[in-house]
Amino acid sequence: GAVVSQHPSWVICKSGTSVKIECRSLDFQATTMFWYRQFPKQSLMLMATSNEGSKATYEQGVEKDKFLINHASLTLSTLTVTSAHPEDSSFYICSAPTSGTSTDTQYFGPGTRLTVL
Amino acid sequence: AQTVTQSQPEMSVQEAETVTLSCTYDTSENNYYLFWYKQPPSRQMILVIRQEAYKQQNATENRFSVNFQKAAKSFSLKISDSQLGDTAMYFCAFIWGYNNNDMRFGAGTRLTVKP
Repeated sequence: GAVVSQHPSWVICKSGTSVKIECRSLDFQATTMFWYRQFPKQSLMLMATSNEGSKATYEQGVEKDKFLINHASLTLSTLTVTSAHPEDSSFYICSAPTSGTSTDTQYFGPGTRLTVL
Repeated sequence: AQTVTQSQPEMSVQEAETVTLSCTYDTSENNYYLFWYKQPPSRQMILVIRQEAYKQQNATENRFSVNFQKAAKSFSLKISDSQLGDTAMYFCAFIWGYNNNDMRFGAGTRLTVKP
């Protein structure tokens, strides 16, 4: 199956700093990627849709100025958590459908655990 | 509103036995897709099985099969011959229409396979 990678897998940062998380599709091109957030023992919540060559689409309640998304190429989307605070600590997961449409099977990255001190 | 409900927070099964995980959903759409994803302790989400709503035949993938009851809006997952490696969180997920980016996940069921 298709492979999606994320980097880093785990990051600790100080409050007020920014953290960038990368999501890459390794063996297919992804015009669309999705970013999810998962709190401990909870389900995944869609944060935003990353579109190659255009602006990301954010879900209601997600601050676009805080969670900056850039989809610069067909294989890379980045999520930058700006001015991180302890409440931003969470598990962030990206996914990508191989065909570009969300109803296709989505392949998930291994996730990034963010801890903000 | 489009919702997905998993009413079993935790389940356990003996190795080699069969277990069924429940999922119900609510939608007024006719065209939609249902998924079961597995999240083991590594937290990597893995697709287990997928069902298109327009298909009447239940999807099957080796030891995993679904019971898709469209009228009842039910989509249960049956795991046969349970293995220790099946221990994981299982999420039922649902997406509707075309080019709709909002995949809804249920709250998850934690399955433990006991030796």
